[in-house]
Amino acid sequence: EDKVVQSPLSLVVHEGDTVTLNCSYEVTNFRSLLWYKQEKKAPTFLFMLTSSGIEKKSGRLSSILDKKELFSILNITATQTGDSAVYLCAARGGGADGLTFGKGTHLIIQP
Amino acid sequence: NAGVMQNPRHLVRRRGQEARLRCSPMKGHSHVYWYRQLPEEGLKFMVYLQKENIIDESGMPKERFSAEFPKEGPSILRIQQVVRGDSAAYFCASSPAGTVKNIQYFGAGTRLSVL
Repeated sequence: EDKVVQSPLSLVVHEGDTVTLNCSYEVTNFRSLLWYKQEKKAPTFLFMLTSSGIEKKSGRLSSILDKKELFSILNITATQTGDSAVYLCAARGGGADGLTFGKGTHLIIQP
Repeated sequence: NAGVMQNPRHLVRRRGQEARLRCSPMKGHSHVYWYRQLPEEGLKFMVYLQKENIIDESGMPKERFSAEFPKEGPSILRIQQVVRGDSAAYFCASSPAGTVKNIQYFGAGTRLSVL
């Protein structure tokens, strides 16, 4: 059975800190890994990763995939209170159309 | 360009009633996915549909649950004879066709409460 595990499950930091969120996966015929940000509404797409070692960046957020070790990290630098959310990691395997999600990391940024 | 639209946002049903959840995909998207999120759990895939076709329903409970995506109109997730365990947030996602269909864009969800 495909599995995605995120850590930590919750994290509280101060504004300006840098955070690293972890995601490990076990997916048959891995195709892609996706990160989403979920506030009190729709999960918002952040990144899709398919190749190892290529960092994707968007402003203060960046992510990288390691297909050998089967994990991905999401980094957020110079955190702001607006970064407070649940960050979801999901993986897609071959032959599967649905995404397998982790439980999410609940990130709280304190002023 | 409106995103994925789900309605209602909140739905309250008594045990034994039927629940109908609607999802309109993003403009230009022909693939629809339904997920369920139980408290303290991650999103769980239920079903994947294209227009007039169910492609993958491997995550759907065998009884009481059904889904459709007609040629015209929104996709519908239908739950018959609801029970308390059906209380959850139900999310719909859509994607375009082709290789970029790996990226699924989500609606805000319908929160179903069964009394």
